[in-house]
Amino acid sequence: QVQLVQSGAEVRKPGSSVKVSCKASGGTFTSYTFSWVRQAPGQGLEWMGGVIPMFGTPHYAQKFQGRVTFTADESTSTAYMELSGLKSEDTAVYFCTRSPVYAPPRYFFYMDVWGKGTVVTVS
Amino acid sequence: DIVMTQSPDSLAVSLGERATIKCTSSQSVLFTANNKNYLAWYQQKPGQPPKLLIYWASNRESGVPDRFSGSGSGTDFTLTISSLQAEDVAVYSCQQYYTTPITFGQGTRLEVK
Repeated sequence: QVQLVQSGAEVRKPGSSVKVSCKASGGTFTSYTFSWVRQAPGQGLEWMGGVIPMFGTPHYAQKFQGRVTFTADESTSTAYMELSGLKSEDTAVYFCTRSPVYAPPRYFFYMDVWGKGTVVTVS
Repeated sequence: DIVMTQSPDSLAVSLGERATIKCTSSQSVLFTANNKNYLAWYQQKPGQPPKLLIYWASNRESGVPDRFSGSGSGTDFTLTISSLQAEDVAVYSCQQYYTTPITFGQGTRLEVK
């Protein structure tokens, strides 16, 4: 069964960092890209960027550039998102998502599998 | 960035009736080289992650009931639920993947009248 299992809820103080993991099962890890999408309380969905495991390269939305790091460990089929300089506005549910890979130069497409989400509270 | 705008923000429809949600992009998401619209639709129920319903604007994801359909091209798209069921109460969001940053519509809340 294809699924993305995310790490548990986190509480952090302003200015600190948080690292969330996302373990993929089912399917070949490098056949997909993995994006991170966050949702603040009562708000819509916001794409932060993602990672292309076949190249090991991250891609960042400009809004988060310099504050977020995406990595992928092919040996454990796990993607990671680390967000630093946390502010109260970063309080949200962070979803790990999977996208199929089609022909380059695009690598991020529709998201066919979603993790259950990791609640990050900054207070 | 491509701005995705949905209408209406909320919608109440009677059970068994048709529900229609619109999504407009600030620029075309049609890639003429392959004639594909880079547009997806998601359903999100409270406390759950979004679920993919439609991709390439009109392709239904495996397992999605055929009462859900997507249409449109270029900048204007529609998600239609042909006969609303109680389990369809949710927030529906469109997403463009024509270019990064990937962007989503603000969401449309669908309720039973």
